[in-house]
Amino acid sequence: DSGVTQTPKHLITATGQRVTLRCSPRSGDLSVYWYQQSLDQGLQFLIQYYNGEERAKGNILERFSAQQFPDLHSELNLSSLELGDSALYFCASRGEVVGGELFFGEGSRLTVL
Amino acid sequence: AQTVTQSQPEMSVQEAETVTLSCTYDTSENNYYLFWYKQPPSRQMILVIRQEAYKQQNATENRFSVNFQKAAKSFSLKISDSQLGDTAMYFCAFRANTGTASKLTFGTGTRLQVTL
Repeated sequence: DSGVTQTPKHLITATGQRVTLRCSPRSGDLSVYWYQQSLDQGLQFLIQYYNGEERAKGNILERFSAQQFPDLHSELNLSSLELGDSALYFCASRGEVVGGELFFGEGSRLTVL
Repeated sequence: AQTVTQSQPEMSVQEAETVTLSCTYDTSENNYYLFWYKQPPSRQMILVIRQEAYKQQNATENRFSVNFQKAAKSFSLKISDSQLGDTAMYFCAFRANTGTASKLTFGTGTRLQVTL
């Protein structure tokens, strides 16, 4: 158990809909990262937050948005969903120790029909 | 921008044998970290091993060790005494030590199959 919690684990929805994925980082971790993994692909970086502020942005679509709340949990909002958005969405958190690796949640599997 | 390259899409090894997975990276940073993550069929991302760039000594974790060649920007993973449970996708990853804004960049992965 990495200590990072993601909900929901599975989600099936239709094209054009909007979903929200939730992530609770490990206790005390200030950094939260979101990654997208399409079928049999690598992990693509979407966005990073640190203590409530956006710190780094990857190839995140304009239809996607995220935020980190004062209690440090984060949400990834995906709107106007398309078939190609079907993927495994990972949240990860990182502590402040030097060389700290990212701890990943189990992912939220999104299927768009 | 940093890039991570894994040139072996798939590899196979027999149980109890040794296998080496390759990884190269490109960066202009001098202070960074390298990681190998394992993704078994459960799809969970599991850290296998970590290497700090400023350390010359290669990292080792039980049956897993790395060969870190900083000048060549190479970071290979050696798995000794391979076990069936090592069957997984292995991702090499890079993170620059640039303070609070510091993403992890992944390679495309190597699918390792351990056979009897």
